[in-house]
Amino acid sequence: GAVVSQHPSRVICKSGTSVKIECRSLDFQATTMFWYRQFPKKSLMLMATSNEGSKATYEQGVEKDKFLINHASLTLSTLTVTSAHPEDSSFYICSARDPLAYGYTFGSGTRLTVV
Amino acid sequence: DAKTTQPPSMDCAEGRAANLPCNHSTISGNEYVYWYRQIHSQGPQYIIHGLKNNETNEMASLIITEDRKSSTLILPHATLRDTAVYYCIVGDNFNKFYFGSGTKLNVKP
Repeated sequence: GAVVSQHPSRVICKSGTSVKIECRSLDFQATTMFWYRQFPKKSLMLMATSNEGSKATYEQGVEKDKFLINHASLTLSTLTVTSAHPEDSSFYICSARDPLAYGYTFGSGTRLTVV
Repeated sequence: DAKTTQPPSMDCAEGRAANLPCNHSTISGNEYVYWYRQIHSQGPQYIIHGLKNNETNEMASLIITEDRKSSTLILPHATLRDTAVYYCIVGDNFNKFYFGSGTKLNVKP
């Protein structure tokens, strides 16, 4: 079945630095990918839609300058958390849809800790 | 925004069937019902989906009411490894997925 790979699985960074998270569709092409964040004991919150070859669209309340999204190829989307602060610490998850399947496939997530 | 309502938690004895309900009274005619589960610190895992007919696969069964306003996910013989948060989501193949609060299923020995 469709596989979405996310890297890294865990990252710790210092406050003020930027962190890049990669999301790859391994066996299918995805013109659209999605980024979520999840706080402890909470549900997944959709942050943005990553569109191959064009600008990402952000959900209301999500700072686009804080969370930079690049979807440079049909198999790779990246999320960069810029000038990270402790409140950005969260579990970030990406997803993509295999055109030959129903629903979406999710990555295994990235645990970001900002110290 | 999420269009589904689920109980926050349920308990189930190991080996017994787990029946997880979901209300989606505003579902549109072309929207499917999807079920995913999330085991702690992992990404959501697809379980099953359906449009209006009942569906069964190797993991679970999905029962959708005739008016499509609610559904039930059935895990026929729950194991400890089925302990997870289960999410019911409605959408077509082009919609974004918005997650509701889900149901935390606790399978107990």
